[in-house]
Amino acid sequence: NAGVMQNPRHLVRRRGQEARLRCSPMKGHSHVYWYRQLPEEGLKFMVYLQKENIIDESGMPKERFSAEFPKEGPSILRIQQVVRGDSAAYFCASSPPNSLGTEAFFGQGTRLTVV
Amino acid sequence: GNSVTQMEGPVTLSEEAFLTINCTYTATGYPSLFWYVQYPGEGLQLLLKATKADDKGSNKGFEATYRKETTSFHLEKGSVQVSDSAVYFCALSDTTGFQKLVFGTGTRLLVSP
Repeated sequence: NAGVMQNPRHLVRRRGQEARLRCSPMKGHSHVYWYRQLPEEGLKFMVYLQKENIIDESGMPKERFSAEFPKEGPSILRIQQVVRGDSAAYFCASSPPNSLGTEAFFGQGTRLTVV
Repeated sequence: GNSVTQMEGPVTLSEEAFLTINCTYTATGYPSLFWYVQYPGEGLQLLLKATKADDKGSNKGFEATYRKETTSFHLEKGSVQVSDSAVYFCALSDTTGFQKLVFGTGTRLLVSP
């Protein structure tokens, strides 16, 4: 049973380009969460998605950031017109349906560097 | 809102020393509590968890007890190893029915031989 798969592991983008980060949840998991870890800080919640639905995007910046979890395929976190401050590690986590009280499983993260 | 406060690091210990990393929380309701570990260049791994007051989570020699009266979940290990060097994150889960986690800022542990 493969774990949560994120790709790419490392991504370098120039200022103004777009970054696309992918997350394939564990088999049987229909809930996906994205977190951002800035250097020397803890993880901050960004968005919670279920298949084809955004449940909670209270942690997403209002501009340039979007996320989706289509019926087929991985979840995508998209950052348009990246700036240096977007440089961070982005972690995806997944959990099964009806998972109150159980842990979410994390991927290894995508480290985005904006140059 | 919910929040988690951890002791600042780095914590530097010699091998076989006793470890305590303090964690306190603020939350409405009865959250679940977690410790995650992040090894260099890796993602987060769940270390242990507790879902209700007085529960003790344990794994790999690490322990933490959910103390509702002091709103704490301190991580302890009786004898650390060099391989325990990592960043440790305390976290709590939102109580609204899904796994939105609130993390502390992390505590870096450095264990020397």
